Amino acid sequence: GENVEQHPSTLSVQEGDSAVIKCTYSDSASNYFPWYKQELGKRPQLIIDIRSNVGEKKDQRIAVTLNKTAKHFSLHITETQPEDSAVYFCAASQTGGSYIPTFGRGTSLIVHP
Amino acid sequence: NAGVTQTPKFRVLKTGQSMTLLCAQDMNHEYMYWYRQDPGMGLRLIHYSVGEGTTAKGEVPDGYNVSRLKKQNFLLGLESAAPSQTSVYFCASSRVPGQGSEKLFFGSGTQLSVL
Repeated sequence: GENVEQHPSTLSVQEGDSAVIKCTYSDSASNYFPWYKQELGKRPQLIIDIRSNVGEKKDQRIAVTLNKTAKHFSLHITETQPEDSAVYFCAASQTGGSYIPTFGRGTSLIVHP
Repeated sequence: NAGVTQTPKFRVLKTGQSMTLLCAQDMNHEYMYWYRQDPGMGLRLIHYSVGEGTTAKGEVPDGYNVSRLKKQNFLLGLESAAPSQTSVYFCASSRVPGQGSEKLFFGSGTQLSVL
């Protein structure tokens, strides 16, 4: 089955700095890579996703990059703000077949004002 | 639309007791999932369902059972609770993959403590 490794487990930055979270996956058949944000005490919510036919996707201050050859993808947050503080989960799955996403263990991002 | 609703939000059990967690979705989603979240372990899949009347095991199914008798409901049962089942439980639902969106919609979670 799929295995997703996520690093770092904790990331502390100053407001305005950039933050990068990295994930690797094991199954070359995976073709869909979402990122979920979970604020303290809340439910995870999708913030951005990327498919294997795209190398990069941006949405305002958030971007995700994908390297299929190396089987890794990353979340980039620029100009971080205190409200970006949360746990971020990456996941990998296949859009065909039964599709069951496998999640990484999460990264706790702390943005200091 | 309420989205995905979980009940109860909090529960304390004694070892050996049983309980059922209810998940309901009003988005007509085919797929439903139960995850548990423990510190440093991420979201681990317990069981999932790809349609009414179907269930399948996930990564950590031992000690849990599920049922999907109606499309909108997915029940998670603990027959004999153990302290190792202390966790936050999240239900989620999604469309069938390939129908335009693989986004998971999560419920608000259930905090379960087993003493």
